[in-house]
Amino acid sequence: KNQVEQSPQSLIILEGKNCTLQCNYTVSPFSNLRWYKQDTGRGPVSLTIMTFSENTKSNGRYTATLDADTKQSSLHITASQLSDSASYICVVTPLTGGGNKLTFGTGTQLKVEL
Amino acid sequence: NAGVMQNPRHLVRRRGQEARLRCSPMKGHSHVYWYRQLPEEGLKFMVYLQKENIIDESGMPKERFSAEFPKEGPSILRIQQVVRGDSAAYFCASSPSQGVGNEQFFGPGTRLTVL
Repeated sequence: KNQVEQSPQSLIILEGKNCTLQCNYTVSPFSNLRWYKQDTGRGPVSLTIMTFSENTKSNGRYTATLDADTKQSSLHITASQLSDSASYICVVTPLTGGGNKLTFGTGTQLKVEL
Repeated sequence: NAGVMQNPRHLVRRRGQEARLRCSPMKGHSHVYWYRQLPEEGLKFMVYLQKENIIDESGMPKERFSAEFPKEGPSILRIQQVVRGDSAAYFCASSPSQGVGNEQFFGPGTRLTVL
């Protein structure tokens, strides 16, 4: 059974601080791994995408890493802002199945406070 | 270029009624996907459609649920005789073509509440 597990489930940090979110997956083989940001009441928005051969990908203050050997990924957020408060979801695309069956983690709920 | 549009954003139905959820993909996108997000859970794939064709409905319950993507107009997810367990957020996504590298762009979702 394909699974994507994320930790921590929730996190509260002060504005300006950094944080790292974790994702462990068992989907194999996989085509790519994405991190999405989902604001409350909105649909997910893609932050980064990495293929199995990539180790790191940055998008502004967001940096994602991937270790395909240990099947782990992380999302590092630097200099957090209040607007970073959202759910961050790790999503894995299996290599088989046509690419349509994305496997979603349950997300890490991040709250940035003053 | 407008993003993926879904309506209604909120829908309240009583048990036994029908729910119709609409999704207009991004301009130029011919592939539509429906996902369901139950409270405290991740999004789960339901169905994948192209214009006038259901490609993969393996994630959709066999009864009461149906989906279509007609030649003209939005994609429709239809839930007949709704039950309380159908209460969830339903998200639609679209992509320009199939393929593992193609990003799916998500709509804002429809939140269905069954009383």
